[in-house]
Amino acid sequence: KNEVEQSPQNLTAQEGEFITINCSYSVGISALHWLQQHPGGGIVSLFMLSSGKKKHGRLIATINIQEKHSSLHITASHPRDSAVYICAVRSHFGNEKLTFGTGTRLTIIP
Amino acid sequence: SQTIHQWPATLVQPVGSPLSLECTVEGTSNPNLYWYRQAAGRGLQLLFYSVGIGQISSEVPQNLSASRPQDRQFILSSKKLLLSDSGFYLCAWTYGTGTGDEQYFGPGTRLTVT
Repeated sequence: KNEVEQSPQNLTAQEGEFITINCSYSVGISALHWLQQHPGGGIVSLFMLSSGKKKHGRLIATINIQEKHSSLHITASHPRDSAVYICAVRSHFGNEKLTFGTGTRLTIIP
Repeated sequence: SQTIHQWPATLVQPVGSPLSLECTVEGTSNPNLYWYRQAAGRGLQLLFYSVGIGQISSEVPQNLSASRPQDRQFILSSKKLLLSDSGFYLCAWTYGTGTGDEQYFGPGTRLTVT
């Protein structure tokens, strides 16, 4: 069993739909990252959070430490949101090494 | 502002040939540096990380090695490539303050071993 599990693996939705991507992890963590990888391969960090909720534009990330679960939400989805979204966790405070989920491939249809 | 560079962007190499991928960071000093690999259809895997010049930690046994000859330079090498070394290689850095920093990723190198 992987330490970081994401669901769904693939998601196709219509433009404007509300999107939720889930991440569950099995180890104690100091922080969780949500990353976005575009078709060319480049990766952008979206959020780093250790508790509660963060919002940036149409993106919202939440984390429940007790349940070892995080969600990434996209409101009013747009075709430019199409990408692979990757959840990663840092398991020890002060150690920056990340363990990654396999990603969720999101496709938004116009 | 900080910038991270990787080159080359793409590389096609025959089995048994050597490899050298370079990563440099600008605009910061004493960063923690990381090499990740993303094999086709799989998640990112940490290969090496470095907290300072000449200090390299290997995460998984493999055909690759890493070196950090300068503070902001991180090199990934192999003496003889295997088919299984194909993948997308990403370099990343953090401030390394130990307080939980963002990781910043380079543009990546896509390596195909033929």
